[in-house]
Amino acid sequence: DTAVSQTPKYLVTQMGNDKSIKCEQNLGHDTMYWYKQDSKKFLKIMFSYNNKELIINETVPNRFSPKSPDKAHLNLHINSLELGDSAVYFCASSQAHLAGGQETQYFGPGTRLLVL
Amino acid sequence: TQLLEQSPQFLSIQEGENLTVYCNSSSVFSSLQWYRQEPGEGPVLLVTVVTGGEVKKLKRLTFQFGDARKDSSLHITAAQPGDTGLYLCAGVPNAGKSTFGDGTTLTVKP
Repeated sequence: DTAVSQTPKYLVTQMGNDKSIKCEQNLGHDTMYWYKQDSKKFLKIMFSYNNKELIINETVPNRFSPKSPDKAHLNLHINSLELGDSAVYFCASSQAHLAGGQETQYFGPGTRLLVL
Repeated sequence: TQLLEQSPQFLSIQEGENLTVYCNSSSVFSSLQWYRQEPGEGPVLLVTVVTGGEVKKLKRLTFQFGDARKDSSLHITAAQPGDTGLYLCAGVPNAGKSTFGDGTTLTVKP
């Protein structure tokens, strides 16, 4: 069984469109994250949610809006897509929030977004 | 922002060779994690080191946390093609978010 799943795996779209990426975890974890991995493989956190509450909101354009309907799901909606949004987006989860602990993050397989 | 620099950025070696990857920072971390990411997949945790000077072994992989908890190294003995991937270190602070290093892409040729 897949622990952290994301859909879609690939997403090719035109500039200016609005798109959503979905993430689900069946590990019973309290915390979920969205990361962006650029073409240089640098992995940067965007958001984290703990029990449906926003904990971390990095300097991310307002066009990115996460939504957590329940603690097993964390979706990412992106408005007015730009060329620079092209990247691989990873969802992750952990039992508790990372800071100060030894929590293991479990990553999804990633969504490869290409904006044309 | 707590920066983690990894070196080398790229490493291509022959099967059977040994290698070491370094993860350095000017910041102190509560713990440090190493992940491996294979092409087309998400990162997978290999190990977490917590105590300064700690050494952990995972088969042919040896991880060490610096005494001051600012740096770490990953040593692979007798590398195999299956070790190919992107190796990421991540520093976990006492407060705030964890930070990932810029990655080391390892290619092991048969």
